[in-house]
Amino acid sequence: EAAVTQSPRNKVAVTGGKVTLSCNQTNNHNNMYWYRQDTGHGLRLIHYSYGAGSTEKGDIPDGYKASRPSQENFSLILELATPSQTSVYFCASEGTEVFFGKGTRLTVV
Amino acid sequence: GDSVTQTEGLVTLTEGLPVMLNCTYQTAYSTFLFWYVQHLNEAPKLLLKSSTDNKRTEHQGFHATLHKSSSSFHLQKSSAQLSDSALYYCALSEGTQVVGQLTFGSGTRLQVYA
Repeated sequence: EAAVTQSPRNKVAVTGGKVTLSCNQTNNHNNMYWYRQDTGHGLRLIHYSYGAGSTEKGDIPDGYKASRPSQENFSLILELATPSQTSVYFCASEGTEVFFGKGTRLTVV
Repeated sequence: GDSVTQTEGLVTLTEGLPVMLNCTYQTAYSTFLFWYVQHLNEAPKLLLKSSTDNKRTEHQGFHATLHKSSSSFHLQKSSAQLSDSALYYCALSEGTQVVGQLTFGSGTRLQVYA
């Protein structure tokens, strides 16, 4: 089964600070995604990428940037973290199906 | 825009009883419909998918039929097991090429008791 690895798994950040969530896949998949999961909203798409150097806005991109420096790595960046960004973040890559990582639980205090 | 509605936030069942989780959707495009299952502290995993009208899709004892006339893709299982306790998401994607751009419902938590 395809593997998607997220780091860190848990993160506490200070309001106004910069946060970088990392995602790595060794499946050679072109398409990668960042979602956030919130009770009552399910998973919502933040950013996605078609390959190295590509980033696209998803449904809720405000307050987030993304970076895809290589086929394997896709980062989500919160330049100025706010408490409303407290959530669980999932990275995914797309092969024959979409494979999700185990998530990063981010708390902004 | 697209939307997916899961009306039940929590479904509680006794082991051995049938399972039915509801999913309806709205989209202006041809779509794939999916069911994902997420066990506690785990990644969401694909359970079922379909793009074919009125065709039953089965996997791991679960089944669903896409009905485009009623925009529904309900998840069913004949007999619930304790291990089925999890969070279930219905989701859709537009088109056939990029299926990772998913619109999810709010999720239904299934709790099965002995």
